[in-house]
Amino acid sequence: AQSVTQLDSQVPVFEEAPVELRCNYSSSVSVYLFWYVQYPNQGLQLLLKYLSGSTLVESINGFEAEFNKSQTSFHLRKPSVHISDTAEYFCAVRAGGTSYGKLTFGQGTILTVHP
Amino acid sequence: ETGVTQSPTHLIKTRGQQVTLRCSSQSGHNTVSWYQQALGQGPQFIFQYYREEENGRGNFPPRFSGLQFPNYSSELNVNALELDDSALYLCASSLAGSEAFFGQGTRLTVV
Repeated sequence: AQSVTQLDSQVPVFEEAPVELRCNYSSSVSVYLFWYVQYPNQGLQLLLKYLSGSTLVESINGFEAEFNKSQTSFHLRKPSVHISDTAEYFCAVRAGGTSYGKLTFGQGTILTVHP
Repeated sequence: ETGVTQSPTHLIKTRGQQVTLRCSSQSGHNTVSWYQQALGQGPQFIFQYYREEENGRGNFPPRFSGLQFPNYSSELNVNALELDDSALYLCASSLAGSEAFFGQGTRLTVV
């Protein structure tokens, strides 16, 4: 079984400041890792994913996350945030190497970007 | 290529009633999963269907049931609704083993 802990429930930040949203996971098997973003009254959109290979993964809108196996972490970072990044962010894990698609999500982190 | 679509978007039911939620998978996807997202919580896995067979289930009672059809669309049925069933229900489709794509969800309110 897998579990995910998002260490911050809310993160307020000013526009153009850097941000880090923290995610730790627990699993007895290898995992795939994901970050999803959810805007108000909408579904989840995949932001980025780690399946294998380079431990640093990037999204098209400037976010990046680094898989750290020794610390069982997958923190999300952005060097300069915009007002439009205000949303709730979910870290998720899935058992690797299988076609079984169950995702285990964290509780979410609400990122609020202030002008 | 169409995305994942869910219907209805909002629904109000009375405690004890039954409800059916529907999901159309993204074109070419043969796997569909359902999640329940209570207010202020992360999504919780309900179950998954692959080629019309349930192949995984989370910690939900049997009154939560589902179907997947030959065209890979899916239904989630909930019997004997309880107040705690009020939540956003999310459908996700994928090609087995690949990333999941989510629909916009159905907001169910039980009164």
